[in-house]
Amino acid sequence: KQEVTQIPAALSVPEGENLVLNCSFTDSAIYNLQWFRQDPGKGLTSLLLIQSSQREQTSGRLNASLDKSSGRSTLYIAASQPGDSATYLCAVGGGQYSSASKIIFGSGTRLSIRP
Amino acid sequence: SAVISQKPSRDICQRGTSLTIQCQVDSQVTMMFWYRQQPGQSLTLIATANQGSEATYESGFVIDKFPISRPNLTFSTLTVSNMSPEDSSIYLCSVGQQYGYTFGSGTRLTVV
Repeated sequence: KQEVTQIPAALSVPEGENLVLNCSFTDSAIYNLQWFRQDPGKGLTSLLLIQSSQREQTSGRLNASLDKSSGRSTLYIAASQPGDSATYLCAVGGGQYSSASKIIFGSGTRLSIRP
Repeated sequence: SAVISQKPSRDICQRGTSLTIQCQVDSQVTMMFWYRQQPGQSLTLIATANQGSEATYESGFVIDKFPISRPNLTFSTLTVSNMSPEDSSIYLCSVGQQYGYTFGSGTRLTVV
């Protein structure tokens, strides 16, 4: 049974710092890994999707890496801003076809950027 | 990516009643997924809904409590039955496609 863990559970840093959020999973037979952002009381916004054959994806100040063999992914946020404050969720998709496979979520990292 | 319309966005319900949540997708999808997010928690998968067959429920969730319909490839409903305060959560539907998973905006349910 796939288990997804995210550390730290909460993180508070001053504005401008670069930071790394971690995600680990127990079963390396994944199809993809997706990072989401969730603002309080809101739905989920997809940030980055990494297919199992890829090593990393970048979007603006965000960079996500994937190491299937070790069961790890990191989300790197450069030059953090107060608007980055949110909960970040890692989700792992298993099975051969992503559209037919459920995804399992980590517990999330609650990020707070201090002005 | 697909666009999902989910409603209602929120509701306050009396104990013992039922609420049906609807999700409409702007394209045909094979599977739809229903999640629950309890206060301060991450998302937990309730069930997977495939058109034309019964939904597949995860451990801890049963059809009598969370009946699901999937009448066609663009629509699904989740009913929360005989509600108690412990059912107060955000409920979200989701679809998976080649470019990742998309979620509805969620239904915030409060049971009083």
